[in-house]
Amino acid sequence: KAGVTQTPRYLIKTRGQQVTLSCSPISGHRSVSWYQQTPGQGLQFLFEYFSETQRNKGNFPGRFSGRQFSNSRSEMNVSTLELGDSALYLCASSLERENTGELFFGEGSRLTVL
Amino acid sequence: GDSVTQMEGPVTLSEEAFLTINCTYTATGYPSLFWYVQYPGEGLQLLLKATKADDKGSNKGFEATYRKETTSFHLEKGSVQVSDSAVYFCALRGSARQLTFGSGTQLTVLP
Repeated sequence: KAGVTQTPRYLIKTRGQQVTLSCSPISGHRSVSWYQQTPGQGLQFLFEYFSETQRNKGNFPGRFSGRQFSNSRSEMNVSTLELGDSALYLCASSLERENTGELFFGEGSRLTVL
Repeated sequence: GDSVTQMEGPVTLSEEAFLTINCTYTATGYPSLFWYVQYPGEGLQLLLKATKADDKGSNKGFEATYRKETTSFHLEKGSVQVSDSAVYFCALRGSARQLTFGSGTQLTVLP
């Protein structure tokens, strides 16, 4: 069974640009969550989607947005990139309708903003 | 709000040594508690969990007991191996229904 797949794995952008990251959850999983991981702030929750609806959101500015498609694949977008957005962005999927905290993580997309 | 405090790393041990990584939490209500592990170059993996007070989660020789009276969920293993070298994250799922992670503890096990 394929795991959570994130693309691209690595990318470099410059300040002011925008970026879109993609996540394909494990087959059959309908809940997708996104986290930002940085050395200074650790793992911080961005948002969670279930059946194409955002049902939870962390404390990030509006430059961070996401969506989920009918096949459960999800994308997140960051506009007007800042240097501080450099991070590992992790996607996680869950089988249960109710997010119990048992998440399956992808390997992440490492974003570097220059 | 919810928060998780882990012991500072890095932690370096010799193979077969006893491991304890301390974790305490602050949360309202009755959170579920987790330990996740991140091996080099990989995503996080669920190691073990406990959903109510006095529950003991266990997996791969690791154990942690949900102590509500001390708001703790310390990770232990009796004999570590080189392959246990990784970053360990304590986490909780509280009333906000999202995972709140600790800062992570880097473990290095030397042969």
